[in-house]
Amino acid sequence: EAQVTQNPRYLITVTGKKLTVTCSQNMNHEYMSWYRQDPGLGLRQIYYSMNVEVTDKGDVPEGYKVSRKEKRNFPLILESPSPNQTSLYFCASSFWSSTGNYGYTFGSGTRLTVV
Amino acid sequence: TQLLEQSPQFLSIQEGENLTVYCNSSSVFSSLQWYRQEPGEGPVLLVTVVTGGEVKKLKRLTFQFGDARKDSSLHITAAQPGDTGLYLCAPRGAGSYQLTFGKGTKLSVIP
Repeated sequence: EAQVTQNPRYLITVTGKKLTVTCSQNMNHEYMSWYRQDPGLGLRQIYYSMNVEVTDKGDVPEGYKVSRKEKRNFPLILESPSPNQTSLYFCASSFWSSTGNYGYTFGSGTRLTVV
Repeated sequence: TQLLEQSPQFLSIQEGENLTVYCNSSSVFSSLQWYRQEPGEGPVLLVTVVTGGEVKKLKRLTFQFGDARKDSSLHITAAQPGDTGLYLCAPRGAGSYQLTFGKGTKLSVIP
């Protein structure tokens, strides 16, 4: 089954304890992206990657890191989580073309709480 | 900066009623996608519209792209409880490969 798999689904952690949220896709998509979703603010892009070893900042990159060493994986790293990073996180992937008309496939989300 | 507005923010209707939700911007889009997000899940692509004036139908859902490619609408006929969810429009600006997501319309269909 074609899918984007995020882990974990739920995570409660303490301020300052480094964590990684994994994202893997099995569709050979070039493009991958991370979003956070907060009430009243909608989906905001954190980082994206056009292909292996190519990453770029989205709208809200502060406090996050990413890497794209393999095409299928795009982990999100919080080096020192803070309570304002409590949110619902989504990974998405897509084929990429100059016409940009491919849809995104989203993972099921990771609900992160930082206390 | 592209301003993107979805309306209404919230909509609660009875099963069987019709409804329309809107997505408007001050900018011209090269294309636009609609997604539906159910509670606890990620958004799922419903449709992509590309041409100004284009109309696409997906069962009881009708999507329209404005002639000037600055707006879009989603009309649901005879809404059912299974239509409940957050409807997100996601346009792609001219010359851009990135999607911008609206804040969505949260639809509740009451049995």
